[in-house]
Amino acid sequence: KAGVTQTPRYLIKTRGQQVTLSCSPISGHRSVSWYQQTPGQGLQFLFEYFSETQRNKGNFPGRFSGRQFSNSRSEMNVSTLELGDSALYLCASSPGQGPYEQYFGPGTRLTVT
Amino acid sequence: SQQGEEDPQALSIQEGENATMNCSYKTSINNLQWYRQNSGRGLVHLILIRSNEREKHSGRLRVTLDTSKKSSSLLITASRAADTASYFCATDVAGGTSYGKLTFGQGTILTVHP
Repeated sequence: KAGVTQTPRYLIKTRGQQVTLSCSPISGHRSVSWYQQTPGQGLQFLFEYFSETQRNKGNFPGRFSGRQFSNSRSEMNVSTLELGDSALYLCASSPGQGPYEQYFGPGTRLTVT
Repeated sequence: SQQGEEDPQALSIQEGENATMNCSYKTSINNLQWYRQNSGRGLVHLILIRSNEREKHSGRLRVTLDTSKKSSSLLITASRAADTASYFCATDVAGGTSYGKLTFGQGTILTVHP
């Protein structure tokens, strides 16, 4: 099976802009989780989607949002970008029935200038 | 906030030696997982241990879990240069709506010298 794919891999944006990141899970996986990784805060959970529904959300401002489509592909959007949003954004998929391991994509490196 | 604390933060060893990393966490868990990350890339799942298990093996990896002490350890035996990476423990917190949420420790940076 193909692994989790994320596009784009690298992105440079300016403060105030918005950005959309995409994640395609492993075929058959219905759960997609998103994480932000920074040197200071480490890996932090953003949100999780299962069958197009957000089941869980981390402690991030409303500028961070996401959605999931009927084919389980997911997107996350960050509006009004701030310098502190510069990070590696990782998505992970799993079958959705716990307990389960998560399969991570290579990440999208976002730089905000 | 981080659920787990990992120790040591960095570990440097020679090829062939064993590497041991420790993880402590704060709340009750369903399971604990270990992941590896190479140079800011995606995470690779290594092993999952459930809360009712005490030890698990996978190849050169051995994981222990002590729920009374809220701690886990990862042992990599006969390490290789290719094991050089960051290692993270992640917990699936029990109770509530923990769907799809793993809480990660800060990680241990392992360097294996040839």
